[in-house]
Amino acid sequence: GAVVSQHPSWVICKSGTSVKIECRSLDFQATTMFWYRQFPKQSLMLMATSNEGSKATYEQGVEKDKFLINHASLTLSTLTVTSAHPEDSSFYICSARVVDRGYEQYFGPGTRLTVT
Amino acid sequence: RKEVEQDPGPFNVPEGATVAFNCTYSNSASQSFFWYRQDCRKEPKLLMSVYSSGNEDGRFTAQLNRASQYISLLIRDSKLSDSATYLCVVNHPSYGKLTFGQGTILTVHP
Repeated sequence: GAVVSQHPSWVICKSGTSVKIECRSLDFQATTMFWYRQFPKQSLMLMATSNEGSKATYEQGVEKDKFLINHASLTLSTLTVTSAHPEDSSFYICSARVVDRGYEQYFGPGTRLTVT
Repeated sequence: RKEVEQDPGPFNVPEGATVAFNCTYSNSASQSFFWYRQDCRKEPKLLMSVYSSGNEDGRFTAQLNRASQYISLLIRDSKLSDSATYLCVVNHPSYGKLTFGQGTILTVHP
C-alpha cells in the first residue's frame, strides 16, 4: 500500500512562534497532497490542496499567509503554521493521492499541535 | 445542508451483532465514494471504496444508491476491534477533493 509519513507526530509551541510540519510519500510519487485539520469530536476539514511545483489552493476561510504550504518535490509537502495562536491547536493530517488509483487518498499519521 | 451527512451515533452493540450505517450526500455530480475508519487520535484509514453495484469485503458490505444519493455500510459479526469512528467520504467533482461526513461512532462491547 501507499505509505505517507508526517513529522513531527506532536509538537508544543508558544504563541507567536512558527511550526513546520512535513508530509512525505515514502513509496510513491504524489503530485497532489492535501492538508486537513481536525478539532476534537469533529470531522476532517480540508485546508488546502498542494500541487507539486505550483501554488497551493486554499479552501474558503483558510488564511494562506498564516498556513504556508510548500510542495517542492514529488515526495514532500510542508505546512508551516506562522505566528501560532492557541486556537490553532489541532490535529493536522496530510494525505496524498496515488495517481493511478482514482480518488483514494492515503493519510499520514497526523501531527498534534498544541499552542500554549 | 451539509455535503455529506451521517448519523453520529454512538452505536453501542454487542459482539456478534450486525450494524448498519447510513450516509447521504448532496452533490449529485460526486463520482467516488468511500468508507474510512478512524481510531481515536489516529489518522483515517481506507476501509473500502463503494461501487454502484455494491461490494463486499469479508464482514463489510457497502451499498450505493445514486438516485437517492445514499451510501450504506453493513458490518456483520461485529468484533471488539471494530470499535472506531466510521467516516463516509465523497469526492468533490472538481480537483479530486474529498468531503468527509462527521463520522459515526461505533462501540462493540463484550
